Formats: sequence, C-alpha cells, structure tokens
Amino acid sequence: AQSVTQPDIHITVSEGASLELRCNYSYGATPYLFWYVQSPGQGLQLLLKYFSGDTLVQGIKGFEAEFKRSQSSFNLRKPSVHGSDAAEYFCAVGPFQGAQKLVFGQGTRLTINP
Amino acid sequence: DGGITQSPKYLFRKEGQNVTLSCEQNLNHDAMYWYRQDPGQGLRLIYYSQIVNDFQKGDIAEGYSVSREKKESFPLTVTSAQKNPTAFYLCASSLQGGPGFEAFFGQGTRLTVV
Repeated sequence: AQSVTQPDIHITVSEGASLELRCNYSYGATPYLFWYVQSPGQGLQLLLKYFSGDTLVQGIKGFEAEFKRSQSSFNLRKPSVHGSDAAEYFCAVGPFQGAQKLVFGQGTRLTINP
Repeated sequence: DGGITQSPKYLFRKEGQNVTLSCEQNLNHDAMYWYRQDPGQGLRLIYYSQIVNDFQKGDIAEGYSVSREKKESFPLTVTSAQKNPTAFYLCASSLQGGPGFEAFFGQGTRLTVV
C-alpha cells in the first residue's frame, strides 16, 4: 500500500538558519509528490510538486525539494527561515492509477526561535 | 475569486445528532475530497468523488456519508454512528490526474461534540 512517513513530528530552528524537513514514501511506481503548508486553523496551501524531470523542484516562499528515487525521499529545504515559516508541513503522494486521491504523512510542526 | 468554501467554520454537535458540513467549489473541478485531521495523525481520507453521482470510500468512511448531486457541491454528513467525531474537517478539489494535478483545500470546519 502507498504510504508517506515524516520522521520528525516537531522541529525547532532559529530564524535565519537553514531548514530540511524529511519525507519518505512507499509506492510501487514513479510517484507524484507534494509538499503542503498549513497555518493554525487554516486549510492547506501547496508549496511545490514533483511529477517528472528535474529532481530539484522550486516552490513558493523560497522552498525547494529534491526527489531521490534511490532513497524514496522527497525532502523539503529552505536556506534561511523566517518567523512567518512557523506552521505545519505535510508531504503527500498521489494520485494513483484508478484512485484519484492523495495520501498524506503525519505532518511536521515547525517552530522558529527569534 | 475561484476557490473552495467550507461552512460553517465552527460546528457544535450534541451526541446522537447528525450534522452536515458544506463544501462548495467554483473551480470547475471534477474531483472532490473530504479529509479528517487529528493532532499527530495527519490527514486521513474519508470519502472522495471523481464525478457527479459517484463517490468512493476512503480509509475512514465508517460513520460518515456523502452525496455528489452537483459538480460544485460535496456535502459530508457526520452521523451518530461516528464514535469520535470531534476533529478538523478539510474539503479539497482537483482536476483529474496527470501532470497538472493539484488539490486545492478549503479553510476547514472544526466540529466539536458537546
């Protein structure tokens, strides 16, 4: 079955520091991969997505992610975080052949120290 | 502006009552989804619909029901059979699959059983 694992439930970084959020997936074929961000009490906003081609994907708000097939990973990175980046981040995989749906990881909550 | 509207934002239910959460989209998307979000568990799929008058169960459909009579609307009913309905509910929509796939989310409805 398809699954997504985000190993870090909560990460704290200092403002201006670099960030990497981990995501590992289990899927039998080349996946479509996504990163979403959620502010408290709000819906989800798409940061970036990977379908094919260049394995380094650029997104909004200065985020990027790298697809590594050999490691079944799609880690999210940002060179320098701001206080406004504090939120919850979700990795997702899908849609799947015959099933139009996304499977999400458990999420990583990001706290920024001023 | 195009988007997804969920209503109400907050909903309180007495035990034993059914309640219906509204989801409307004006993006002309074929597919719509309902997810449930609990702390530390990410998003879990309740139901999804790829076309009008058709829908499929997700991973946690027990105690929930849906209808898809119009392309724009995908209401979710939380029935009295749902043992633990207190959660944050998110509705989403998308075009059908392929490289252009992207799921757009509403702002959510927080349901509390009192």
